[in-house]
Amino acid sequence: NAGVTQTPKFRVLKTGQSMTLLCAQDMNHEYMYWYRQDPGMGLRLIHYSVGEGTTAKGEVPDGYNVSRLKKQNFLLGLESAAPSQTSVYFCASRGLAGGDALTGELFFGEGSRLTVL
Amino acid sequence: AQSVAQPEDQVNVAEGNPLTVKCTYSVSGNPYLFWYVQYPNRGLQFLLKYITGDNLVKGSYGFEAEFNKSQTSFHLKKPSALVSDSALYFCAVRAPGYSTLTFGKGTMLLVSP
Repeated sequence: NAGVTQTPKFRVLKTGQSMTLLCAQDMNHEYMYWYRQDPGMGLRLIHYSVGEGTTAKGEVPDGYNVSRLKKQNFLLGLESAAPSQTSVYFCASRGLAGGDALTGELFFGEGSRLTVL
Repeated sequence: AQSVAQPEDQVNVAEGNPLTVKCTYSVSGNPYLFWYVQYPNRGLQFLLKYITGDNLVKGSYGFEAEFNKSQTSFHLKKPSALVSDSALYFCAVRAPGYSTLTFGKGTMLLVSP
């Protein structure tokens, strides 16, 4: 089982460049999330989606955009990268069906390390 | 609103000794509480959760956690630490009706041989 797959795993950008991080899950999960992890800050939610075609802002959405055109994919875009966006980005998903509709745990990808110079 | 605090940046324990990683939370209503572990250069892995019922929850790798409503705490415990338990541990909370999970800042657990 692949679970949650993030691509690319590493990327170096120059300030002002754009890029897209792709998250793909093969568990038919409804909910998908993008977090960023910074030293001493824990995980902070950027954007999330509660189903195909939906997106919502999290705690730190500025400078990022997302799209959920297909249920299995959740894309995170940086239109004009800034050094403050240097971070490790994690995608996660959660299922809806069954007894764990609201209590299910998140499944995480392995992370994408982004450096903005 | 929902928030969680992990008061210790790092916990040091000798192998074979019991370990505790602390977590306190703040939510309106009854919380859903989670512990995750992150090994170096890896994603987070689910350890255990409290939804309702017995205050002592058992999870993966011999870990357990105790829910204490009066102290709004959900401390992670293990009776006998292993060097391989060394990792970054995150506590997380979700309030009823919320779609999102709020994480603490993480506690680094270092188990020495």
